[in-house]
Amino acid sequence: AQSVTQLDSHVSVSEGTPVLLRCNYSSSYSPSLFWYVQHPNKGLQLLLKYTSAATLVKGINGFEAEFKKSETSFHLTKPSAHMSDAAEYFCVVSDRGAAGNKLTFGGGTRVLVKP
Amino acid sequence: DGGITQSPKYLFRKEGQNVTLSCEQNLNHDAMYWYRQDPGQGLRLIYYSQIVNDFQKGDIAEGYSVSREKKESFPLTVTSAQKNPTAFYLCASSMGQMRETQYFGPGTRLLVL
Repeated sequence: AQSVTQLDSHVSVSEGTPVLLRCNYSSSYSPSLFWYVQHPNKGLQLLLKYTSAATLVKGINGFEAEFKKSETSFHLTKPSAHMSDAAEYFCVVSDRGAAGNKLTFGGGTRVLVKP
Repeated sequence: DGGITQSPKYLFRKEGQNVTLSCEQNLNHDAMYWYRQDPGQGLRLIYYSQIVNDFQKGDIAEGYSVSREKKESFPLTVTSAQKNPTAFYLCASSMGQMRETQYFGPGTRLLVL
């Protein structure tokens, strides 16, 4: 069975400083991994995805994530936070063994950006 | 513009009432999904459909029903058997291949009167 753990439920950063959101996963096979962002009362927007190509994945809005198989991690980073980055972020795993492309979601990390 | 639409944005349900949430996509995706989101939690899968006229239960299907009569539409009915329906409901779609990216609609918030 696959699972995802987001290590921080809340992260607070100052505008212009780096953001780090931590994610660990477990998977029986070679997983695909995603980060989605959700602004209040909105749907989820795809930030980036890893599908066994380059381990450093660049996404939209300056975000990137690094897949580390030895650590079973897929942490999300951004060098400089912007006020518009305040949202909830979900780390998601999709396992080769899961029928019908079922995704497993982490519990989410809420990001607060202080001016 | 291609995308996924959900309606209504807000829906109120009375005790004992069935309500239906709409999900339409014009992305020509084969697979569609319904998720439930509760405050402070990740998404949980209710039902999914990989092809027209076929669907499977997800992790929390009790008290819900779906149909897939058309490729672009996947309505979700919240029945009176669902005793705790208050949540944010999200519809998604994908091309249908294994591990393919899912794209999400804007969501419907269901509240109980």
